[in-house]
Amino acid sequence: GIQVEQSPPDLILQEGANSTLRCNFSDSVNNLQWFHQNPWGQLINLFYIPSGTKQNGRLSATTVATERYSLLYISSSQTTDSGVYFCAAPLGNQGGKLIFGQGTELSVKP
Amino acid sequence: IAGITQAPTSQILAAGRRMTLRCTQDMRHNAMYWYRQDLGLGLRLIHYSNTAGTTGKGEVPDGYSVSRANTDDFPLTLASAVPSQTSVYFCASSEQYTDTQYFGPGTRLTVL
Repeated sequence: GIQVEQSPPDLILQEGANSTLRCNFSDSVNNLQWFHQNPWGQLINLFYIPSGTKQNGRLSATTVATERYSLLYISSSQTTDSGVYFCAAPLGNQGGKLIFGQGTELSVKP
Repeated sequence: IAGITQAPTSQILAAGRRMTLRCTQDMRHNAMYWYRQDLGLGLRLIHYSNTAGTTGKGEVPDGYSVSRANTDDFPLTLASAVPSQTSVYFCASSEQYTDTQYFGPGTRLTVL
């Protein structure tokens, strides 16, 4: 089945800094999603981005499907950005059966 | 507020007991999912349902069963709980099988 790998595993930033999180996947996908899990455990969908670029406020994501990776950009980071960021891709290219990466744990210091 | 509710919030259970985790969504989404989250292992799909009346197995289905009698509800049952089923369980839904997934708040289950 598909392998989903994220880097870096941990990241510490000073408030206001920018960062790039990477997600590599082993097979072609038709469904790539980014999630944020806040320190209270809540999982929020950030982007549904099988290809191309999307932006939402200070966050943006780019997926290059042909090269099997996706990037999540966080600009002007805030302490509320802290938590774990997951990317997920479908098992066997089958829609909703998502396989999650191990996550990047981000800590933004004031 | 539209969304997904899960019950209970947390539960401590003796090994061998039967337990049903409840999940209800009011967004009229067709697809629903159950995941478990464990330290070091991330989120793993247990079972899913593309639409009411159908279910399928995910990565780690053993020891769990689900049913989808209607659009809104997707209960997860542990027939005879074991300590390795100690985890945080998340229910999720999406409008269609291939769409953005939205997660519930989770149920923390401890099996002793």
